[in-house]
Amino acid sequence: DTEVTQTPKHLVMGMTNKKSLKCEQHMGHRAMYWYKQKAKKPPELMFVYSYEKLSINESVPSRFSPECPNSSLLNLHLHALQPEDSALYLCASSQLGQGGEQYFGPGTRLTVT
Amino acid sequence: DQQVKQNSPSLSVQEGRISILNCDYTNSMFDYFLWYKKYPAEGPTFLISISSIKDKNEDGRFTVFLNKSAKHLSLHIVPSQPGDSAVYFCAASVIYNQGGKLIFGQGTELSVKP
Repeated sequence: DTEVTQTPKHLVMGMTNKKSLKCEQHMGHRAMYWYKQKAKKPPELMFVYSYEKLSINESVPSRFSPECPNSSLLNLHLHALQPEDSALYLCASSQLGQGGEQYFGPGTRLTVT
Repeated sequence: DQQVKQNSPSLSVQEGRISILNCDYTNSMFDYFLWYKKYPAEGPTFLISISSIKDKNEDGRFTVFLNKSAKHLSLHIVPSQPGDSAVYFCAASVIYNQGGKLIFGQGTELSVKP
């Protein structure tokens, strides 16, 4: 099973709203990732969690707040976003120390109005 | 500074023929190179990877070639099928103890015509 699930599939939020994106995997992977993908662009890494601890933050603005409650779940809390934050947000997971393959979820299409 | 480059935004091939997608990189420190396939409104799907110490890896219709001296890799799809039509991303991986970091190229949109 190489499935990573993400909810919601679509999200529309105002600039003053607070919302959360959720990601789940049951592959026993100990590394989980958040990526952001704008239209016609490649995915860009935002955060890496390993063993439920934040290990990489790619200088992401504080209006994005990640959380890893346990080894299967990864959340991204959103607050006071800007319209330019509208994008596809992808979650991925991987084994640690393996061949680099990361398995992606279907993404959450976020629109900030 | 783009570390991974796919210079062809699009490629069109006939069904049954070979598709060759190319990728160049600038950093010799990458541990693995990977190819992902992406349909609209879906996440990238892992296709095939190659270790930086190898020069070829094959999986069914997909073969990846790595030329380290030229810092170039390519994905060959033989024979191409209409279902292969998608955007293909080349990615380079740096492996840390705490996980891995993927750096993606800009993508090449492959269209396989019946």
